[in-house]
Amino acid sequence: AQKITQTQPGMFVQEKEAVTLDCTYDTSDPSYGLFWYKQPSSGEMIFLIYQGSYDQQNATEGRYSLNFQKARKSANLVISASQLGDSAMYFCAMKPLDTSGSARQLTFGSGTQLTVLP
Amino acid sequence: ETGVTQTPRHLVMGMTNKKSLKCEQHLGHNAMYWYKQSAKKPLELMFVYNFKEQTENNSVPSRFSPECPNSSHLFLHLHTLQPEDSALYLCASSQDKGVVNEKLFFGSGTQLSVL
Repeated sequence: AQKITQTQPGMFVQEKEAVTLDCTYDTSDPSYGLFWYKQPSSGEMIFLIYQGSYDQQNATEGRYSLNFQKARKSANLVISASQLGDSAMYFCAMKPLDTSGSARQLTFGSGTQLTVLP
Repeated sequence: ETGVTQTPRHLVMGMTNKKSLKCEQHLGHNAMYWYKQSAKKPLELMFVYNFKEQTENNSVPSRFSPECPNSSHLFLHLHTLQPEDSALYLCASSQDKGVVNEKLFFGSGTQLSVL
């Protein structure tokens, strides 16, 4: 079974500074995808960034980057130049590939509440 | 606006009521999902539909009954719920459920309170 661990229930960051949200995962599957989603107070989950387990480079999407360390099974999200609108819950998730090459379903972590301070 | 619309946004129901949650996606996707989000717990996958066929039921109690009449609409019928069923119910869609890098598009959820 897969497990996603987000050890920071809450984080604070000053506006315009960078912040790292931690995520570790546990899986025996050799291939998998890693995702980060943002959930503002309005409720909808918004996709931020994706990293494949065999991707050679760390993923980047605008101010978001994923610090992927496969040997350590970590996939930390880095948000640069934080904005007030970044205040939200952030979820790490993983989708493994089974031996037939089909993706199984997303497993989510418990989330980190990020608050950006003015 | 993610292209996935859920109604109602809030629902309060008694334990003997019957109600339904509705989800509609305007993205032309083939897969639709129901998730349950309880306070301080990770999102739990409940049901998956692919091309209108149910492909996963994550040991969900029978008091939750999903229905997918077409690829754009998904319902969750609720009856004789328990107070512990109070949660945010999120609907999501994706183009293809079997692709590893396929991202999900979520609705804003229905906040359900069972009294």
